[in-house]
Amino acid sequence: KQEVTQIPAALSVPEGENLVLNCSFTDSAIYNLQWFRQDPGKGLTSLLLIQSSQREQTSGRLNASLDKSSGRSTLYIAASQPGDSATYLCAVGDYKLSFGAGTTVTVRA
Amino acid sequence: GAVVSQHPSRVICKSGTSVKIECRSLDFQATTMFWYRQFPKQSLMLMATSNEGSKATYEQGVEKDKFLINHASLTLSTLTVTSAHPEDSSFYICSAIRTSGSGPASDTQYFGPGTRLTVL
Repeated sequence: KQEVTQIPAALSVPEGENLVLNCSFTDSAIYNLQWFRQDPGKGLTSLLLIQSSQREQTSGRLNASLDKSSGRSTLYIAASQPGDSATYLCAVGDYKLSFGAGTTVTVRA
Repeated sequence: GAVVSQHPSRVICKSGTSVKIECRSLDFQATTMFWYRQFPKQSLMLMATSNEGSKATYEQGVEKDKFLINHASLTLSTLTVTSAHPEDSSFYICSAIRTSGSGPASDTQYFGPGTRLTVL
């Protein structure tokens, strides 16, 4: 069974600082890895999807890397803003996703 | 872009009653939808796979008689929590697969906004 772990569970940074969020998974035979954003009491917003054959994906200030051999992915958010405050979830799988518990980020103005 | 809606967004019910949650794909047909549950401060857990025109497939530990899933059309799946109890209080999220016809690598999964169920 795939286990997904996200460290740290919570993170608080001043505005402008770069964010580094970590995700690890136990089964390296993954299909895709996705990063989502979840605001309190809301659904999920897909941020980046990395297919198993890819090493990274970028979108604006966001960059996600994937190292299947070590079972790790890292989400980088450059020049953080208060609007980046949310919980970030990592998930692996094809359609049936296994999620981590998330990292709750607070960006202080 | 593709949108998946859920109704209601939140519901409060008494213990012992049944609650139905709808998941709709608004501008695409979805033969497959998924239902997840999220307890506070925890990750989303897959409950079941909803297949249009056939029985749902439940994950281990999920009671199929308690969580009834019906996928009667290509745009609608419903989750009914029967005889709800306070421990069923949770955030329920559905997702729908928009197939591209080019294989799974090109398909896209869209998530609904979630339904907050509180059982008193």
